[in-house]
Amino acid sequence: GEDVEQSLFLSVREGDSSVINCTYTDSSSTYLYWYKQEPGAGLQLLTYIFSNMDMKQDQRLTVLLNKKDKHLSLRIADTQTGDSAIYFCAESISGGYNKLIFGAGTRLAVHP
Amino acid sequence: NAGVTQTPKFRILKIGQSMTLQCAQDMNHNYMYWYRQDPGMGLKLIYYSVGAGITDKGEVPNGYNVSRSTTEDFPLRLELAAPSQTSVYFCASRGFGNTEAFFGQGTRLTVV
Repeated sequence: GEDVEQSLFLSVREGDSSVINCTYTDSSSTYLYWYKQEPGAGLQLLTYIFSNMDMKQDQRLTVLLNKKDKHLSLRIADTQTGDSAIYFCAESISGGYNKLIFGAGTRLAVHP
Repeated sequence: NAGVTQTPKFRILKIGQSMTLQCAQDMNHNYMYWYRQDPGMGLKLIYYSVGAGITDKGEVPNGYNVSRSTTEDFPLRLELAAPSQTSVYFCASRGFGNTEAFFGQGTRLTVV
């Protein structure tokens, strides 16, 4: 089946690192994504990783992929108040119409 | 370049009314998607399309219909609105072979 799961809430202190975790079930995923949604807005792509990679770094963002355990994580270094948002993990299912399946989203709250 | 445009932004419907949520993209993308976002539930895929004339059901298609007569447009139709359809609806598109899906700003629908 196709399912993506995330914890719903994470609270961190400004300047600390945030780690948001995600698990998925479909082993045929080609790409895995992290999207950010700010209040009242649509979703914006933060970063993505191809399924044959283990890690991807993009400035303050580090994505780790454990394909064996079907586990994806997003680490945000030096978290700022502007990082407060909902973060969605998503997988692209290969074959057919390349469905994008999203998790429920993790609400990140950054406090001083 | 407008990207993905959704109209209307807000709408209140009475139970049993019908309406069409419009979605248009100007990026010549093959894939288009409709999602609904309920609080704490993340995004659920309603319908998707790989190109003009081809559509398929997602996770929660009941109560909705779609059509894809052109590459640019992917309208979502609600025939008999029900309170359970109160949600925020997002349309997205992605090009063939592209990694990123682009989202519209959303339509907030309330059924009373």
